[in-house]
Amino acid sequence: GESVGLHLPTLSVQEGDNSIINCAYSNSASDYFIWYKQESGKGPQFIIDIRSNMDKRQGQRVTVLLNKTVKHLSLQIAATQPGDSAVYFCAEKPGSFKTIFGAGTRLFVKA
Amino acid sequence: DAGVIQSPRHEVTEMGQEVTLRCKPISGHNSLFWYRQTMMRGLELLIYFNNNVPIDDSGMPEDRFSAKMPNASFSTLKIQPSEPRDSAVYFCASSSGQDYGYTFGSGTRLTVV
Repeated sequence: GESVGLHLPTLSVQEGDNSIINCAYSNSASDYFIWYKQESGKGPQFIIDIRSNMDKRQGQRVTVLLNKTVKHLSLQIAATQPGDSAVYFCAEKPGSFKTIFGAGTRLFVKA
Repeated sequence: DAGVIQSPRHEVTEMGQEVTLRCKPISGHNSLFWYRQTMMRGLELLIYFNNNVPIDDSGMPEDRFSAKMPNASFSTLKIQPSEPRDSAVYFCASSSGQDYGYTFGSGTRLTVV
């Protein structure tokens, strides 16, 4: 029979453009948030994090924005490159050791 | 640091056989996590340890699954007996504390036929 799997949201961008990946988190008690990147055949890789006392944090070519009012997190990638093609997961930590991962967004970068 | 090391990278086994997956966390990290990833269910937390002690195993699907962490540098995830629906990629991750992200291993792709 036909297999049913997670249908990941997909974002397709042109090389050189900026990418914005959005995420809604679930737990109001979450105080620490992380973005991970997973390339094909590899484990998720830490990209950037933000704590709940901040609303913006910048890294190299990446920026994370946090809106606690609407429980929304976004990852902005500047000047997207083919090597940025991957699945991106947002993750939240509600003050415990446990991390809750989102379903992921697949980013395609067109050359 | 070599990162989180998992072995084997690939495992193909017959239904009913015992499977043992291995993980070496990053030295100095005191938390270790086992995740399972499938197309159907995404990333699922199976169990995690803090200072070698299992803290939460509520994600372990059945009694066929067990995990141990005999010391700070080694953990195993065992499936006995294995079933085809256990086929997935199993990731181990470690962390240096509650307020830090995880470092994942490369995963073990398990196929049960």
